[in-house]
Amino acid sequence: DSGVTQTPKHLITATGQRVTLRCSPRSGDLSVYWYQQSLDQGLQFLIQYYNGEERAKGNILERFSAQQFPDLHSELNLSSLELGDSALYFCASSATSGGSQETQYFGPGTRLLVL
Amino acid sequence: GQNIDQPTEMTATEGAIVQINCTYQTSGFNGLFWYQQHAGEAPTFLSYNVLDGLEEKGRFSSFLSRSKGYSYLLLKELQMKDSASYLCAVRDRDSNYQLIWGAGTKLIIKP
Repeated sequence: DSGVTQTPKHLITATGQRVTLRCSPRSGDLSVYWYQQSLDQGLQFLIQYYNGEERAKGNILERFSAQQFPDLHSELNLSSLELGDSALYFCASSATSGGSQETQYFGPGTRLLVL
Repeated sequence: GQNIDQPTEMTATEGAIVQINCTYQTSGFNGLFWYQQHAGEAPTFLSYNVLDGLEEKGRFSSFLSRSKGYSYLLLKELQMKDSASYLCAVRDRDSNYQLIWGAGTKLIIKP
């Protein structure tokens, strides 16, 4: 158990809908990262938040947005969902902003299925 | 540009040794990570290299050569539970210190 929690574990929804995925980082960690992993694909970095502020952006679609709250939990919002958005969404956390030796610890993921 | 290459799949026998290679091209190398990921589960951290050489951790070792843009993960005394994907990731200064991930190597262990 990494100490990172994600809810829900599974989500089934329809095209065009909007969903929110939630992540709580390990105690004391200030950074949260969001990743997408499609079937048999590598991890795609979406976005990083550090202490409430957006730190770095990856291949995140405009239909997707995220935020980190004062208690450091984070939410990833996915809207106008398409079939291709079906994937595992992982949240990871690290102690600070991502320095050289810093390790990311991953949550169990949310499996999203868009029908 | 940035690129990380790993073999897609490897097969090995229980009790044997396997080496999983990773080659990378990044403009601002700042460390290399290996993670293990069982199917449908979260990646878990295995090792970190930033200087050239071998880091040993029990049955797992990781090697780095920065001049060659090359790393390998060595797994000894293979067990069935080692069947998983092994992900190589490079931290890149020029990408705001984000991790650039390889597609992963699926390791199949046969009895």
